[in-house]
Amino acid sequence: EADIYQTPRYLVIGTGKKITLECSQTMGHDKMYWYQQDPGMELHLIHYSYGVNSTEKGDLSSESTVSRIRTEHFPLTLESARPSHTSQYLCASSEMDNQETQYFGPGTRLLVL
Amino acid sequence: QKEVEQDPGPLSVPEGAIVSLNCTYSNSAFQYFMWYRQYSRKGPELLMYTYSSGNKEDGRFTAQVDKSSKYISLFIRDSQPSDSATYLCAMSGDRLAFGKGNQVVVIP
Repeated sequence: EADIYQTPRYLVIGTGKKITLECSQTMGHDKMYWYQQDPGMELHLIHYSYGVNSTEKGDLSSESTVSRIRTEHFPLTLESARPSHTSQYLCASSEMDNQETQYFGPGTRLLVL
Repeated sequence: QKEVEQDPGPLSVPEGAIVSLNCTYSNSAFQYFMWYRQYSRKGPELLMYTYSSGNKEDGRFTAQVDKSSKYISLFIRDSQPSDSATYLCAMSGDRLAFGKGNQVVVIP
């Protein structure tokens, strides 16, 4: 089983609140990713990182931001949650030269009321 | 046109049947082809990984790639209830592109 963790697993929150979704991995992977997954839809890459102090935007535009201060930690923040942010957020990591083998966390299901 | 097409329709099969899943793609630059399996309330996990055209077997699972037709398949032989999951195809160019996934239910 992959050593990648996400908290919280489920979050119900009101509009306008600031939220941070946590992601940690203990595999020492340099690359980390955040995906958004909605029922019946593709995983969409919203952010990724090559390593400490590296953050890049993915294919899907997102109002969220990320940071990478430590190798093992890649939190995602929404400054002001809206109902349109309701989704499942998946964190993943991989070795730098093997993005094909990504290890996913269990996901955070976010519901914004 | 989406880069990866995977008909997301659910699939129910009796235990022991062969499950056949497929994806098509449009980007000729894709070089690596993967199948991820996602159980309910879990994140995806890599199931099969192929590079070239042809077949790759791993136990009851066979991944097939036809680059000339831009078509990949996954076959599950002797399906078991534990195979009930969503199967996502993925392809790699500069980033991974995923299909929508097929929910498979194997009925005992």
